[in-house]
Amino acid sequence: DVKVTQSSRYLVKRTGEKVFLECVQDMDHENMFWYRQDPGLGLRLIYFSYDVKMKEKGDIPEGYSVSREKKERFSLILESASTNQTSMYLCASSKSRGPKGIQYFGAGTRLSVL
Amino acid sequence: SQELEQSPQSLIVQEGKNLTINCTSSKTLYGLYWYKQKYGEGLIFLMMLQKGGEEKSHEKITAKLDEKKQQSSLHITASQPSHAGIYLCGAATNNAGNMLTFGGGTRLMVKP
Repeated sequence: DVKVTQSSRYLVKRTGEKVFLECVQDMDHENMFWYRQDPGLGLRLIYFSYDVKMKEKGDIPEGYSVSREKKERFSLILESASTNQTSMYLCASSKSRGPKGIQYFGAGTRLSVL
Repeated sequence: SQELEQSPQSLIVQEGKNLTINCTSSKTLYGLYWYKQKYGEGLIFLMMLQKGGEEKSHEKITAKLDEKKQQSSLHITASQPSHAGIYLCGAATNNAGNMLTFGGGTRLMVKP
């Protein structure tokens, strides 16, 4: 079974803090993704990566950066957290590039920025 | 504007009843994925459809993709409380990469 693990289920941070959200997958998947999920807005793609040290912007990259130093790990960084970044963050990974690549999701991290 | 429209947004059914959730796109879908999400948790993959007219079933859940590859339906037969949750469709709208666009979700409640 594919396992995508997000380091924290719940996180509370203060405005201006630097925040790291970690995601690890154990299936040697090439592709990894970060989404945020908000009521009424659905899932929106923040960043994705097709390979180590490679990253591509998604639909809403502003205020975020990512790091992929190893194939199994994809980190989302909030350089200076703001209250409008309070959200549910979901990480996903997939083996194949292209429409056949099923994305498998982690359990999510619910981030509150106060 | 959202490329994928899901309907209904929410649904309450009596246990044992059948139900259908729809997912519609204005673009051709190169891959259509159905996921289930329990409140506050991650998405669980249910089924993937790629070919026009394709139909897949798993236990009491059947998903179909229409011949034009612009609409999919998810049908649950004899619903149970364990079917409750949020159902999301995700779609690849080009053949190049596997970036997905997601529908807004359908919140299903099953009354015992």
